[in-house]
This record gives sequence, structure tokens and C-alpha cells, in this order.
Amino acid sequence: DQQVKQNSPSLSVQEGRISILNCDYTNSMFDYFLWYKKYPAEGPTFLISISSIKDKNEDGRFTVFLNKSAKHLSLHIVPSQPGDSAVYFCAADNTDKLIFGTGTRLQVFP
Amino acid sequence: DGGITQSPKYLFRKEGQNVTLSCEQNLNHDAMYWYRQDPGQGLRLIYYSQIVNDFQKGDIAEGYSVSREKKESFPLTVTSAQKNPTAFYLCASSKPGHFATNEKLFFGSGTQLSVL
Repeated sequence: DQQVKQNSPSLSVQEGRISILNCDYTNSMFDYFLWYKKYPAEGPTFLISISSIKDKNEDGRFTVFLNKSAKHLSLHIVPSQPGDSAVYFCAADNTDKLIFGTGTRLQVFP
Repeated sequence: DGGITQSPKYLFRKEGQNVTLSCEQNLNHDAMYWYRQDPGQGLRLIYYSQIVNDFQKGDIAEGYSVSREKKESFPLTVTSAQKNPTAFYLCASSKPGHFATNEKLFFGSGTQLSVL
């Protein structure tokens, strides 16, 4: 069973507009979530995280929102830039390992 | 510079052959992980190790083996029992414990394994 789901495999956004990437999870015991960004043929790099005691965490152009009752989190990128084009993975902390979603490929076009 | 080194970048496996992917880190991290990336399936955990001489199976351990003889090294062997080995393999490391209270998972640059 997929405990962390990213239902949109791809997203295309115009430069300067907002990108919203979504992630759902099934285990209510998860209390810490992370977003990673991955370019082709490279390892993922950490982007931003959020604890379940918060409902929002912001870092520059990146904001993550957490809705615990809906078991849903989203990553907002404003404004989107061409360099943001990559695959984004959300992940849930499962004590001693991270469980990753399937990823969303974001393409930012001029 | 501290980091995680995976080698080789590209690897080809013949039918019935075992191949070993190298992963070395100089971050002084206790925990190390192997993930596999397939298109549309995200990152799936193969094996992980929280401490030297100990490791646990992840979600897709069948057809793989690992060893953890040194803190810095966590090689992954893809055996002939793994029938669909073509994938992008990622090694990662972290300090052990809850990710909210320690450093995040750091990844190497990956190894692309293909079957001839």
C-alpha cells in the first residue's frame, strides 16, 4: 500500500505564476514531512519540511502547508522560475526511514 | 568536502551476473540507505542500516544484498535473482533517529544500472 501519494505525475506552469504540488498520506501517526527536489541523473536534495505541530512553514519562495485532518500537504512555489523545473518528492518520517511519494514532475515554461 | 560518493555512474549487467554498487560517505553519519527509482514509482527503499554490522530490509529487498562492515561504506549487490534490475539507484545517509531532530537525508548522485 502506498502510504504517501502524489496523484499528479506532472504539472506545467508559466514562469512567474504559482506552482502547487500536492501530497496525501494515509498514516495519521506521521508527524514530520519533507519535500525533496530532484534533477535528472542526480540525487534528490532537501527543500523544506514541516512538523505536525505547525500548519505552515515558509522559506523564501517555498511554502509548505499541512492539513492534518485531511492528511494532506502541499508545496507552493511563488513565483515559479525555469530553474524550478524538476521532480518533487514529498516524504513522511517513519521513525528510522523516510517513505517517499511517487513524485511530481514540474515544468516551468517562459 | 563532506558528501556521499556513488560509483560507478553507469553500470551494465549481463544475464545471470551479480553486480555491486559502491556507496561511500564522509559525513560521519551512522545511518545509510539504498533506494531505487523507477519511472512513476518514486523512491522505494531496498535496505537500510542504522549502525555498523547491522541492516534491515526495506520494502523491495528481494534480489539484493548489502553489507555494513565500515561506518563509511554501504555497498549494494544486485544479484541474479533480481529479475528487473534496470533502475536508478540512490544511496543516502543521515544521523540516526527522528528526522525532525537531526539532519535530513543526504543523497549521492546515483548509479544507473542497465541490463545488457
